Amino acid sequence: GAGVSQTPSNKVTEKGKYVELRCDPISGHTALYWYRQSLGQGPEFLIYFQGTGAADDSGLPNDRFFAVRPEGSVSTLKIQRTERGDSAVYLCASSSDSHTGELFFGEGSRLTVL
Amino acid sequence: DQQVKQNSPSLSVQEGRISILNCDYTNSMFDYFLWYKKYPAEGPTFLISISSIKDKNEDGRFTVFLNKSAKHLSLHIVPSQPGDSAVYFCAATTRARGSNYKLTFGKGTLLTVNP
Repeated sequence: GAGVSQTPSNKVTEKGKYVELRCDPISGHTALYWYRQSLGQGPEFLIYFQGTGAADDSGLPNDRFFAVRPEGSVSTLKIQRTERGDSAVYLCASSSDSHTGELFFGEGSRLTVL
Repeated sequence: DQQVKQNSPSLSVQEGRISILNCDYTNSMFDYFLWYKKYPAEGPTFLISISSIKDKNEDGRFTVFLNKSAKHLSLHIVPSQPGDSAVYFCAATTRARGSNYKLTFGKGTLLTVNP
């Protein structure tokens, strides 16, 4: 596709469950980012990948959150033992250049933890 | 502590008039500022940016002004159109670190342009 694709668009889960959110970046974009937007807030940085490696994971809130990008394209954000406070829209973005490139965001995955 | 603040949660203007959206920041290390626009159920899309070495950047109907001494920036939309109705996010980063990916966003301002 032409843009950043995220699946699922909506995910409802129960407290304590494990969740995976997928991001398919724009073809050819080497840089990939995850942000989280809680209700009434702006997006907050979680993690940045350059190629296959996590170049900066300083925004991950705790060790329940983990992300991978094994082949340098698709990325998966994994959340273990979900809590109600994890409810948010998880946004993925990609860019051709992490230094100067514009970030292109996907539509997001809305996670609701009951 | 919010480093980027958008103190107006909402703004309503008439079609054809000017829309002015404001943003304040506290981190003096920020050297690059961006505005993103977001429609419901869509991701944010880049609108316009400005480097701290400039005080104005213009792109069509959109102009961003930066006042470094006041740590304040504003987005002007002239003339406003109903299709401009969206949430506008102000964001900032420190490019001098060698990357611009770690954006700090404000909470956003909902702009409504009435026909």
